[in-house]
Amino acid sequence: EVQLVQSGAELKKPGDSLKISCKGSGYNFNPHWILWVRQLPGKGLEWMGIIYPSDSDTRYSPSFQGQITISADKSISTAYLQWRSLKASDTAMYFCARLIITDTHVDFWGQGTLVTVSS
Amino acid sequence: QSALTQPASVSGSPGQSITISCTGTNSDVGGYNFVSWYQQHPGKAPKLIISDVSNRPSGVSNRFSGSKSGNTASLTVSGLQAEDEADYYCSSYAGGNSLVVFGGGTKLTVL
Repeated sequence: EVQLVQSGAELKKPGDSLKISCKGSGYNFNPHWILWVRQLPGKGLEWMGIIYPSDSDTRYSPSFQGQITISADKSISTAYLQWRSLKASDTAMYFCARLIITDTHVDFWGQGTLVTVSS
Repeated sequence: QSALTQPASVSGSPGQSITISCTGTNSDVGGYNFVSWYQQHPGKAPKLIISDVSNRPSGVSNRFSGSKSGNTASLTVSGLQAEDEADYYCSSYAGGNSLVVFGGGTKLTVL
C-alpha cells in the first residue's frame, strides 16, 4: 500500500526555522516526483515545489521561490520542506503528495502537517 | 499564473446531479488534456477522483465523471449522496515554470 506519512503538527514563533518531513513507503520512492502543497486556513490548494528524489532535481513555484527549500534523502525515502525564518502568514496546512509528472496529477497524498506560527 | 476559476459553492438534493465548472485559459485547461479533480472532506487530505480530464482511478465511484470543452473543464456528480458533501478542486498542467495550477475550490452541499 502506497503511503506518505508526514511529521506532526508544529507550533513556532515568527523568525524560527522549521523542517517538516514526508516519508514514503509501499512503493519505489526514488523515481517518483514529490509535490508540496500549501493550504491556508479556509482556502484552496497552492503548489509550492517539486523534487525528484533520485537526483534531487528541484523546481519551485514562482510564488514560493526563495521562501522555502525542498530537499530529499533517498536513502530513507523522505522528502523535506524547510523554512529559514517563519512568518505568521506561513500558518497553514502543508501536504506532500506523489506527482505523476507526465500529466501533473497527484495519485497519493500525505495526511498533512499543520504549521502554526504565532508569537 | 492565476488560479483556475470555480464557483464557490454548488448544492443539490440526494439523487440529483450537479456539475462543477473549472475555467482556465488556452495556456492551461484549453491547451492540454491534463485536468484533474480532487475531493477534500473537512480536515482530510485531498483525494484524486478524475485525472486526464475524464479518467476515473480504480475505486472511485462511477457517479463521478469529467469532461472538457475549450478552456472549461467540468466535473459531474450524479446520484448525489450525503457522503459527496465536500470541497472539490480542479487542477491543470500549465507548462513552463508554472507547472500546475489549481482552482479555488467549490463547496458541494447535499441538501
